[in-house]
Amino acid sequence: KAGVTQTPRYLIKTRGQQVTLSCSPISGHRSVSWYQQTPGQGLQFLFEYFSETQRNKGNFPGRFSGRQFSNSRSEMNVSTLELGDSALYLCASSLGSKQTQYFGPGTRLLVL
Amino acid sequence: GESVGLHLPTLSVQEGDNSIINCAYSNSASDYFIWYKQESGKGPQFIIDIRSNMDKRQGQRVTVLLNKTVKHLSLQIAATQPGDSAVYFCAESLPGNNRLAFGKGNQVVVIP
Repeated sequence: KAGVTQTPRYLIKTRGQQVTLSCSPISGHRSVSWYQQTPGQGLQFLFEYFSETQRNKGNFPGRFSGRQFSNSRSEMNVSTLELGDSALYLCASSLGSKQTQYFGPGTRLLVL
Repeated sequence: GESVGLHLPTLSVQEGDNSIINCAYSNSASDYFIWYKQESGKGPQFIIDIRSNMDKRQGQRVTVLLNKTVKHLSLQIAATQPGDSAVYFCAESLPGNNRLAFGKGNQVVVIP
């Protein structure tokens, strides 16, 4: 069974731009969660989607948004990029709540 | 991983020895705990999980111990191998919630 895939793997943007990242979960997984990883803050939860609905949201500004499609694929969007948004963005999928979350390789975003 | 460069607690262990990685979790109400391993340039990889109604769980070469009295989690790796060199994260989640809260990570260096 294929693992979680994320595209693109690397991205360079400038301040003020917006970006859309994509995540394809493991087949059959309906929950997709997004995390931001930085050296300073570690791994922080952004949001979780289940059956196309946002089920949980972390403490990030409204510039960070996401959505999930009927095939469980998910996208996250960051608008008006700031230098501090440079990070590794990780997606994890699971069958449901309290089930093992499997991570993708991440998208490394650099904001200049 | 993203935590490399940040001063992480580091455990240096001789190849073939056993390793013990400790984690203090924050919320006494957390009911699910999970250990991940992250190698440089990769996403976190699931190692083992445990629910709060258990105090010990064993996998292949790994054992997780949960002490709810002192909110402590540990991961034991038997016969440590060079491929075990990585950053190890513990994570917890609250009841009814799929959101994972991660610790800062522990760097394990295996000396051949």
